Amino acid sequence: EVQLVESGGGLVQPGGSLRLSCAASGFTFTDYWMSWVRQAPGKGLEWVGNIRQDGGATYHAGSVKGRFTISRDNTENSLYLQMNSLTAEDTAVYYCATSKASPASDWGQGTLVTVSS
Amino acid sequence: QAGLTQPPSVSKGLRQTATFTCTGNSNNVGYEGAAWLQQYQGHPPKLLFDRDHNRPSGISERLSASRSGNIASLTITGLQPEDEADYYCSAWDRTLSAWVFGGGTKLTVL
Repeated sequence: EVQLVESGGGLVQPGGSLRLSCAASGFTFTDYWMSWVRQAPGKGLEWVGNIRQDGGATYHAGSVKGRFTISRDNTENSLYLQMNSLTAEDTAVYYCATSKASPASDWGQGTLVTVSS
Repeated sequence: QAGLTQPPSVSKGLRQTATFTCTGNSNNVGYEGAAWLQQYQGHPPKLLFDRDHNRPSGISERLSASRSGNIASLTITGLQPEDEADYYCSAWDRTLSAWVFGGGTKLTVL
């Protein structure tokens, strides 16, 4: 059974940084692109970015490009999202997901990031 | 960045058929098709169909996906109360090099 467990969310001040982690199990991690998708309170889904199986290619949404960085550690079956220069518009639940012919196939439960002073 | 267009809401009666549309352009929906996801309030989304119209195991056969040009569609037949949810489409945009989502459609089963 695919399991994706996000962690690292919390309250951060505007301009601050946060690093999210996603622990993957129950599948062959290196077989999949991995994605981050976020959802602001009461709003729709927004793709944040993804990373290729070997970590050699990443894509980021325009809204986070230059501020957020996706990485992975295939030895630890883990996915990461480094978030810098956070603003209130980044407040959302952040989901980790596998990605195959879709932005997100299997999803974690999400971790809430709140940017507020 | 540009997203896909979905009607905000659809209301249908029990056992009726609901069709959701997702309008994009030749660089996203028209390029490789759209995936569909379902989300219940307070829960993570669930993939219904990938862009190749593959249905993950456990997804009801009452659901089907199709595409005509730049418009993708999701159809649910024999509506049940448990189909009440938000439905999102998403497609890879080759000019943006990004997955784009529609704003979602809320289904109400009367």
